[in-house]
Amino acid sequence: EPEVTQTPSHQVTQMGQEVILRCVPISNHLYFYWYRQILGQKVEFLVSFYNNEISEKSEIFDDQFSVERPDGSNFTLKIRSTKLEDSAMYFCASSEDSPGDTQYFGPGTRLTVL
Amino acid sequence: ILNVEQSPQSLHVQEGDSTNFTCSFPSSNFYALHWYRWETAKSPEALFVMTLNGDEKKKGRISATLNTKEGYSYLYIKGSQPEDSATYLCAFKGYGGATNKLIFGTGTLLAVQP
Repeated sequence: EPEVTQTPSHQVTQMGQEVILRCVPISNHLYFYWYRQILGQKVEFLVSFYNNEISEKSEIFDDQFSVERPDGSNFTLKIRSTKLEDSAMYFCASSEDSPGDTQYFGPGTRLTVL
Repeated sequence: ILNVEQSPQSLHVQEGDSTNFTCSFPSSNFYALHWYRWETAKSPEALFVMTLNGDEKKKGRISATLNTKEGYSYLYIKGSQPEDSATYLCAFKGYGGATNKLIFGTGTLLAVQP
C-alpha cells in the first residue's frame, strides 16, 4: 500500500541553524501539508501546498519557514534559523484531489533544537 | 478560534472490554470529521472520514457515529484487544475557503491490558 515517507526520523540541531525536513508524498496525490506537534500539545496545521504554491498557512508559518517541491516526488520544509520552541514532531501529509479526501500522514520527524 | 475536544484524555481497559470515546467540534461550517489511530513511532492511520449528519461507519471492530447538529462524534471499539492500544485522534475540517487544513483534538490514549 502506498505510504508517505519522511526523513530523517530524528534531527538534532543547534539554535540558529537551518534544517530541512524531507517528505515523499503518495505519488498520485495533489495536496501536501505540514503539521507539527509540540510535546504535550495538539497536532497543529502549518501549511498546505497545491499546484506548486502555498494554498494556506497558519500564523505559526512565518518567514522563518518555507516549503518547496523541488522535483516530482519530494516535498520539503525548511526552517531557516531554528529556535528552541521549534522542537516538535513534524508530520507531512498528502491527499488525493478534493478537500474532503483523507489526508495520509507520514511517521514524522522529531526535531530537537538545543 | 475553532476548538476540538476529546474525552477522556486516557483510558485503561481489559482485553475483551468494549469502549467508546468522544470528539466534540464546532457545529457551524462543518465539512468533515476525520478519525485517526496513532501508534508511537508510526504514521497516524486514517480510520474514517465522516461528512453527513447521522453517518455511521465501521472498520472491523471499530465504528464511529456523527452528529453535526450538536457537534460530536463517538468512536466505539468492540471487544478491545492489546493491539488496539494507541492514541485516537479526531480532526475537524471546516467548510469554505481554499483550505484543507485539519484541526485536531488532544487525542484519547487507549491502553488495553491483556
